[in-house]
Amino acid sequence: DVKVTQSSRYLVKRTGEKVFLECVQDMDHENMFWYRQDPGLGLRLIYFSYDVKMKEKGDIPEGYSVSREKKERFSLILESASTNQTSMYLCASTAVGRSSYNEQFFGPGTRLTVL
Amino acid sequence: GNSVTQMEGPVTLSEEAFLTINCTYTATGYPSLFWYVQYPGEGLQLLLKATKADDKGSNKGFEATYRKETTSFHLEKGSVQVSDSAVYFCALSDLQGAQKLVFGQGTRLTINP
Repeated sequence: DVKVTQSSRYLVKRTGEKVFLECVQDMDHENMFWYRQDPGLGLRLIYFSYDVKMKEKGDIPEGYSVSREKKERFSLILESASTNQTSMYLCASTAVGRSSYNEQFFGPGTRLTVL
Repeated sequence: GNSVTQMEGPVTLSEEAFLTINCTYTATGYPSLFWYVQYPGEGLQLLLKATKADDKGSNKGFEATYRKETTSFHLEKGSVQVSDSAVYFCALSDLQGAQKLVFGQGTRLTINP
């Protein structure tokens, strides 16, 4: 069974703290993604990575950074958490496509609250 | 840029009712279109997809047809069940590079027995 796991289901942090969200996939996928999910806004792409040590900004990268030191692990970092980063964070992965789309597999999400 | 618009929710129906969730898109080129579903407490999972115009995706009794002329991909099911209660997301991918997805805002569906 394919699997994307996230380090925490629920997390509560204080404003100004440095926060690490971890994502691990066991499918040997090249591409990994971090989204945030907010009511009425759907999912918005924060960052993605198409290879180890490679990363690209998504639509809303401000206030976030990422790290991909190993193929299976993709970390999202909030350098100095703020209350407007309270959200559900979803990680996903997919294999490199050839002629057709490859499904994105999602983790269960981390609900982060910043006080 | 690419965008997806879904009908506003929440949607509440009785069991065995007919379901339609509208989805329209704006995109350059020829995107692939998807419906993802998120059950309570879980991540998203792919429900169905269509990769070219006039394709019909189907799964678990749900269907959606890729209509290029109306730039739409409406989700339908003839008879919903309580277990279909979830949040549904329409999305598109342009098949370029890392195959990024662009999502609609999601529609929360509740089915009452």
